[in-house]
Amino acid sequence: QKEVEQDPGPLSVPEGAIVSLNCTYSNSAFQYFMWYRQYSRKGPELLMYTYSSGNKEDGRFTAQVDKSSKYISLFIRDSQPSDSATYLCAMRRSNDYKLSFGAGTTVTVRA
Amino acid sequence: NAGVTQTPKFQVLKTGQSMTLQCAQDMNHNSMYWYRQDPGMGLRLIYYSASEGTTDKGEVPNGYNVSRLNKREFSLRLESAAPSQTSVYFCASSVTGANTEAFFGQGTRLTVV
Repeated sequence: QKEVEQDPGPLSVPEGAIVSLNCTYSNSAFQYFMWYRQYSRKGPELLMYTYSSGNKEDGRFTAQVDKSSKYISLFIRDSQPSDSATYLCAMRRSNDYKLSFGAGTTVTVRA
Repeated sequence: NAGVTQTPKFQVLKTGQSMTLQCAQDMNHNSMYWYRQDPGMGLRLIYYSASEGTTDKGEVPNGYNVSRLNKREFSLRLESAAPSQTSVYFCASSVTGANTEAFFGQGTRLTVV
């Protein structure tokens, strides 16, 4: 079983809809949680970063971490066609160099 | 500001051939990483270098070697390429060893036939 599970989708939504993405994980030692966005044939870029449990909001993006359930989420409000990309969750333990990535969810926002 | 630059962008190798993937960063980052990305597998760490002069194995190091040439450059070598090494390779860098904010290059698409 993978340490980080992420539904690969694909997910297709109309413009303006809320996009909901999530990952589950098995290692309770993970403390840092990230979401990366990857456009087609590009490298991943960091979108959101959260430490431990709680919510974090940045513009149209909200990241949530529920450590008790080992579950993290990313919400995109008022989605735009430019949000069409693959979204990767990633996480790591404290003082650990290694990030564990989910497989990524491909999202298409239809104009 | 170029960020993380990888060369080449595309490469086709025959089984048994060798090649080196180059990576350079201009952000004065201490730590650098090599990942491979395969469909349905996410990104997996091959090797990393926490600082100049040090390298360590990641999750999938077999069949690869690395060199941290200086603070800017971190190369990945395939000594005898195998079809299982067909993948997209990403180099990344971060300020510290705790790579929370890793910056990625554009990737190298490698096919081994």
